[in-house]
Amino acid sequence: QLQLQESGPGLVKPSETLSLTCTVSGGSISSSSYYWGWIRQPPGKGLEWIGSIYYSGSTYYNPSLKSRVTISVDTSKNQFSLKLSSVTAADTAVYYCARLVAAAGVAAWGQGTLVTVSS
Amino acid sequence: EIVLTQSPGTLSLSPGERATLSCRASQSVSSSYLAWYQQKPGQAPRLLIYGASSRATGIPDRFSGSGSGTDFTLTISRLEPEDFAVYYCQQYGSSPPLFTFGPGTKVDIK
Repeated sequence: QLQLQESGPGLVKPSETLSLTCTVSGGSISSSSYYWGWIRQPPGKGLEWIGSIYYSGSTYYNPSLKSRVTISVDTSKNQFSLKLSSVTAADTAVYYCARLVAAAGVAAWGQGTLVTVSS
Repeated sequence: EIVLTQSPGTLSLSPGERATLSCRASQSVSSSYLAWYQQKPGQAPRLLIYGASSRATGIPDRFSGSGSGTDFTLTISRLEPEDFAVYYCQQYGSSPPLFTFGPGTKVDIK
């Protein structure tokens, strides 16, 4: 059974870079036709797709965050990562990693990790 | 960029009643690329429907999806106590390949 687990600091200072890693188990991150991505949810608000990396290595980002986001993959560790630069309090959210499929939605989610941006 | 709008924002119903949730897109969406999710407090979202009308694995048949073009509907035929939650629609746009979520509809107990 596929499992995803987020890891990284729970507190980041304003203007710094938020870094999270998602470890995938029960399946290969190199499997074809899957996107691996990040979705966030500010406290009390809705879901926002941040970006995805395709199994081919191509990356796609939410236009509203594109200038600050980098998603990368480490196939040797079966992990993918998120970096979000120049964070502000508005970036405080629960961050989920997920496996996305174009015609089948997001069936696999991590449990989510709360990242707070505060000095 | 496609924008999804969900209505109503909140739906107050009693157990046993029928719930009808709407998701409207700012431009036509391929039915193949429209999904619905349920989220309860403190939990990750759960996929309910993909391809506009296909139930995900393990989803009860009281959940059904329909629609095409710009208008999609999630119907819960008879609300069970565990169905009171927030529901999101989501679309995938292939050029470029972007994922977009609607703002959500909260179904709460009347």
